[in-house]
Formats: sequence, C-alpha cells, structure tokens
Amino acid sequence: QVQVEESGPGLVKPSETLSLICSVSGGSVSDNSYYWSWIRQPPGKGLEWLGYIHHSGYSNYSPSLKSRVTMSVDTSKNQVSLKLISVTAADTAVYHCAREGGCSRGICYSSSWFDPWGQGTLVTVSS
Amino acid sequence: QSVLTQPPSVSGAPGQRVNISCTGSTSNIGAGYDVHWYRHLPGTAPKLLMYGNINRPSGVPDRFSGSKSGTSASLAITGLQGEDEADYYCQSYDSSLRGDVFGTGTKVTVL
Repeated sequence: QVQVEESGPGLVKPSETLSLICSVSGGSVSDNSYYWSWIRQPPGKGLEWLGYIHHSGYSNYSPSLKSRVTMSVDTSKNQVSLKLISVTAADTAVYHCAREGGCSRGICYSSSWFDPWGQGTLVTVSS
Repeated sequence: QSVLTQPPSVSGAPGQRVNISCTGSTSNIGAGYDVHWYRHLPGTAPKLLMYGNINRPSGVPDRFSGSKSGTSASLAITGLQGEDEADYYCQSYDSSLRGDVFGTGTKVTVL
C-alpha cells in the first residue's frame, strides 16, 4: 500500500525559501494515473490546496500562490518536492503531501480526491 | 479562503446521528463536480472517508454515508461513537479557481 512522508526544515526565515520533500513508498511517482499534491493547514485554520504535479511535468498551482510555488518530481528517488519562495509568517503551517486521483473501480469522477496523505510536517516562518 | 462552507461544529450523543453540510456554488458543487470527505485528527494524516459523493473506501464503516444535491453535499454519521470525534472536511473542484477546494471544516463532538 502506498505511503507518503514529508520531510524538511521545521524553521525558515522570512523572505527565504521553504523546501520540502515527499517520499513515496509502496508505489511509484511515475504512475500515470495519479498526481502528487501539497496541502497545508495553518495553525487553527482549515486545509488549503497548494497545487499538484504529474511525473510528466504537468502542474497546476493554486492561483493565490502561483507566483511563489514550484513543484517537481524526482523519479529516480521516487520523491516529490515543494519550493515556496519569499515566505512570510502567513506561510507557517503543517504541510501535507498526498496522492491525487479521480478514478476508482473503473469509474472516473468529475473531481479528484486525495489518498493517501502524509502525516504532515510543521514549518514555522520566523526570524 | 475556503469556497465551501461547513458548520464549525456539530455534536451528538453516542448512538445518535449527525449531519455535516457542505455548501458551495455554481462554480463547484453546483457545476456538477463530485464531492469527497475526509476525517482529520490534528497531528495525523487526514483519511479519505467518502469519494464521488456517495462511495466509501474499503475499511470505512457503513455508518458513514454521503449525498449531494444542487450546490450542497452532506455527510451523515449514524450510530455515533467516541472514536468519531475529529475534524471533517469536504473537498471538490472549482472551475473559476481552476483548482481543488476544501470546506471550512467541521468539528464533531460526541457528548
């Protein structure tokens, strides 16, 4: 069964770049059927979708973060990465990685869902 | 900023039924995009509870059921148990934002 696990620095200074890695086990990031997404949850707030990347290089980012976010896939390491530039305190959050797909049992749906998710990693932006 | 609205909290006694609503608009749920539900305990990985409006992944008990109508969707939990205490989120796609969107989240409390 596929598992994902996030890793990276827990503290980033304002104006610097947040970089996280999502390690995938039990499956391949090269599976055509899936995208790999990043979702975050600021303290005391709800979930926010940041965007997704496909191993082909196709990506789709949240409009609110599009100018600052980059995602990539490393098929040799079976990993997905997230980079967020020019961070501020508002970027403090638990960052989750998740596999995104929209088909099950031969049926494809009009929107895709996230399964599985990683436990998440807390990133604090502070000097 | 979430575009899908959920009640901040719902509660019920053990054994009772609770419903969690998820209200969207004509650019997401009302446009026909399917709705999915997650259960989240802080500090853990969110878990898929329902996909495609009404479908339970294997391992999810049939105490959980989903529905969708118009610009809204709903998750029902029957036979409420203490282990159901968690945060629940709906999720769909928004054509105006051209991306996935989550609900505001609902905290379920078992009295």
